[in-house]
Amino acid sequence: AQSVTQLDSQVPVFEEAPVELRCNYSSSVSVYLFWYVQYPNQGLQLLLKYLSGSTLVESINGFEAEFNKSQTSFHLRKPSVHISDTAEYFCAVRRNSGNTPLVFGKGTRLSVIA
Amino acid sequence: DSGVTQTPKHLITATGQRVTLRCSPRSGDLSVYWYQQSLDQGLQFLIQYYNGEERAKGNILERFSAQQFPDLHSELNLSSLELGDSALYFCASSVASGTSYGYTFGSGTRLTVV
Repeated sequence: AQSVTQLDSQVPVFEEAPVELRCNYSSSVSVYLFWYVQYPNQGLQLLLKYLSGSTLVESINGFEAEFNKSQTSFHLRKPSVHISDTAEYFCAVRRNSGNTPLVFGKGTRLSVIA
Repeated sequence: DSGVTQTPKHLITATGQRVTLRCSPRSGDLSVYWYQQSLDQGLQFLIQYYNGEERAKGNILERFSAQQFPDLHSELNLSSLELGDSALYFCASSVASGTSYGYTFGSGTRLTVV
């Protein structure tokens, strides 16, 4: 079975500062990795995903994540955050074969301070 | 609007009662997933349907059941409700059942059991 640990439940950061949200996963088989974002009173939206190929993946709004197989990590980074990035961020994993559902971490609440 | 429609948005009911949550997947999506989100447990996978058939089962209580109808909408039935069932219930859909497909989430149904 797969599992995900998001090491920080809350991350406060000042506007225009860099941020890293940490995610570690556990799996005995190869996996696909995802980051989702949840804005207040909304559902989850896919931010980015790693399926194969380049270990660095980017989103359209400036976030990036790097898959590190040796450290079983998939940390999310942004070099300069905006107030509008305030949200809950979820890391998720699923095995890369067969039919298994996404397994989510408990989330990290990013609060951007003006 | 993600294309996944969940109704109702809010539901308040008493312990011991039964409720039905409804989900219409995004047009063209055959797979529907149900998740429960609570503060202490995070996002927990409940059950998946693909084109009318149950495909995977997670931590779903025996008091809970679901089905997917020929028009692909899905219903989650929760019975003998307890205070601990209070949570956000999300439905997500995807094109197929394969592992590389991302999920599209609805905005959720907030269930409060009093």
